Amino acid sequence: DTEVTQTPKHLVMGMTNKKSLKCEQHMGHRAMYWYKQKAKKPPELMFVYSYEKLSINESVPSRFSPECPNSSLLNLHLHALQPEDSALYLCASSHLGTSLNEQFFGPGTRLTVL
Amino acid sequence: GENVEQHPSTLSVQEGDSAVIKCTYSDSASNYFPWYKQELGKGPQLIIDIRSNVGEKKDQRIAVTLNKTAKHFSLHITETQPEDSAVYFCAAAYSSASKIIFGSGTRLSIRP
Repeated sequence: DTEVTQTPKHLVMGMTNKKSLKCEQHMGHRAMYWYKQKAKKPPELMFVYSYEKLSINESVPSRFSPECPNSSLLNLHLHALQPEDSALYLCASSHLGTSLNEQFFGPGTRLTVL
Repeated sequence: GENVEQHPSTLSVQEGDSAVIKCTYSDSASNYFPWYKQELGKGPQLIIDIRSNVGEKKDQRIAVTLNKTAKHFSLHITETQPEDSAVYFCAAAYSSASKIIFGSGTRLSIRP
């Protein structure tokens, strides 16, 4: 299995809703990432987990809350989002080690905040 | 911090011709340079990468060159085909599980 899966594919939520995005990989990768991508822009890093511990938080607002329950799963909990948070949310994973390893991206969740 | 500039922002080439996308980076500590292809409605897909101890790498119709002194790296696609139409991102990073800095992207269109 060489893919990263994300659910749901599309999500529409109101500003008072609570929802979660899910990401899963079975490639044995111990680093997992959340990115946000606005239209016609490159992905922007939000969070990095290494060995299930949060290692990088790119000053993301607290209305985004990541969680890594185990080495295969990554969640992004959403609460009280704003319309400007509408974007494609991408999950990625990679090996950890002494040499750099490529990041594998999932297809993303298209989020619309009303 | 690292900054990656990518040119051109759009590129249209005749099917069968070559396409070249160029990037520059600012941080000399960067030592890993991946290229991603993103098709409409999909996540970015790694198509080729190069590390700083190598000057050139080729995989079938795709090649990447790296000039560490000038902090330039380029993607070359030969014999372009319609399925090469996509947005291409260059990127730079300097350690495992670190922040990958993406260029702004190039929208490549292949004219039949």
